Amino acid sequence: GAGVSQSPSNKVTEKGKDVELRCDPISGHTALYWYRQRLGQGLEFLIYFQGNSAPDKSGLPSDRFSAERTGESVSTLTIQRTQQEDSAVYLCASSPGLAGANEQFFGPGTRLTVL
Amino acid sequence: QQPVQSPQAVILREGEDAVINCSSSKALYSVHWYRQKHGEAPIFLMILLKGGEQKGHDKISASFNEKKQQSSLYLTASQLSYSGTYFCGTADDKIIFGKGTRLHILP
Repeated sequence: GAGVSQSPSNKVTEKGKDVELRCDPISGHTALYWYRQRLGQGLEFLIYFQGNSAPDKSGLPSDRFSAERTGESVSTLTIQRTQQEDSAVYLCASSPGLAGANEQFFGPGTRLTVL
Repeated sequence: QQPVQSPQAVILREGEDAVINCSSSKALYSVHWYRQKHGEAPIFLMILLKGGEQKGHDKISASFNEKKQQSSLYLTASQLSYSGTYFCGTADDKIIFGKGTRLHILP
């Protein structure tokens, strides 16, 4: 079956522009996560959706970052007024249930470059 | 709180063993281990759900000491394919990953 997909795979934008990153999780997975990975660094938690519960937004670094999820399907991460420090790979992951007890399946990521 | 991994980096010769440690300052519900190769997405290795639990497949195993809020990943007789960055993730309602341990295996 299909895994987690993300689009675009690469995005180059100019400082100050808005960008939208898309994640298609595995069908039936109730949990969806967004992480940011700067070059050579670890996985920085951004936001977590679980079913119909309110998302855990505690990792979003500023109010320029927001994310939405439609039901238990597609999610979009929006970064407004991009800055050079936003350059990173943005990884999406989904899992079939509660975060702690289930494997996360990662997408290939979107590499964002802010010039 | 982000778990702390040690060491930050390891260089081994093929066939040698390695231990990667992960500790948390808060009580843990579970510990996850993932490996990421350069330019690729992280892949799942294992989850430990109970204190005292140990798991393994192939020559990679892990233990979880719930009381000490620690987990260790053991790589036995390392192979070239084990090279990559290993992340532990600690979970209560969400998973927070450590900064990773870079493992490089020399032939």
